[in-house]
Amino acid sequence: DVKVTQSSRYLVKRTGEKVFLECVQDMDHENMFWYRQDPGLGLRLIYFSYDVKMKEKGDIPEGYSVSREKKERFSLILESASTNQTSMYLCASSYGRGAFFGQGTRLTVV
Amino acid sequence: GDSVTQMEGPVTLSEEAFLTINCTYTATGYPSLFWYVQYPGEGLQLLLKATKADDKGSNKGFEATYRKETTSFHLEKGSVQVSDSAVYFCALRGAGSYQLTFGKGTKLSVIP
Repeated sequence: DVKVTQSSRYLVKRTGEKVFLECVQDMDHENMFWYRQDPGLGLRLIYFSYDVKMKEKGDIPEGYSVSREKKERFSLILESASTNQTSMYLCASSYGRGAFFGQGTRLTVV
Repeated sequence: GDSVTQMEGPVTLSEEAFLTINCTYTATGYPSLFWYVQYPGEGLQLLLKATKADDKGSNKGFEATYRKETTSFHLEKGSVQVSDSAVYFCALRGAGSYQLTFGKGTKLSVIP
């Protein structure tokens, strides 16, 4: 089975902190994604990467950056966390037509 | 751009009732279509998919048929169980695209 692992299930951070969310996949997938999930808004794409060191902005990239130094790892970075970034963050990887998701990280910024 | 519209919830059904969750889409060309399910406290799992017109995806008693003429991919199950309580997301991947576009999700609660 494909495994996509996010480093934390729950995180609490202070406003202004730099926050790293890590995601690792074990199936050699080219494509990896970061989404945030909010009630009533569904899933919104923040960034995606289709190869090592390659990245593309999604629908809501403001306030975020990403890093993909190795194929299996895709990191989401909140440069200066704000309360409006309190959300569920979901990482996914895909080989083409299907995507596999991690269990999610619920981030609270106080 | 691509978009997915699915029926708003929450939907509450009694056990063994028939389920339909409507999903329509807007996309150019021939997208691939998906249903994902999210159980409480977990990430999304792929439930079923269809990659071309008239394809039927099925899994765990759920079915959905890719209808190009009505741009729809409605999810159905003949007899729901309490364990089906979850949030269901319809999604599409545009032709030649890496990205998935999701609907807003429909929360299903099944009561005994």
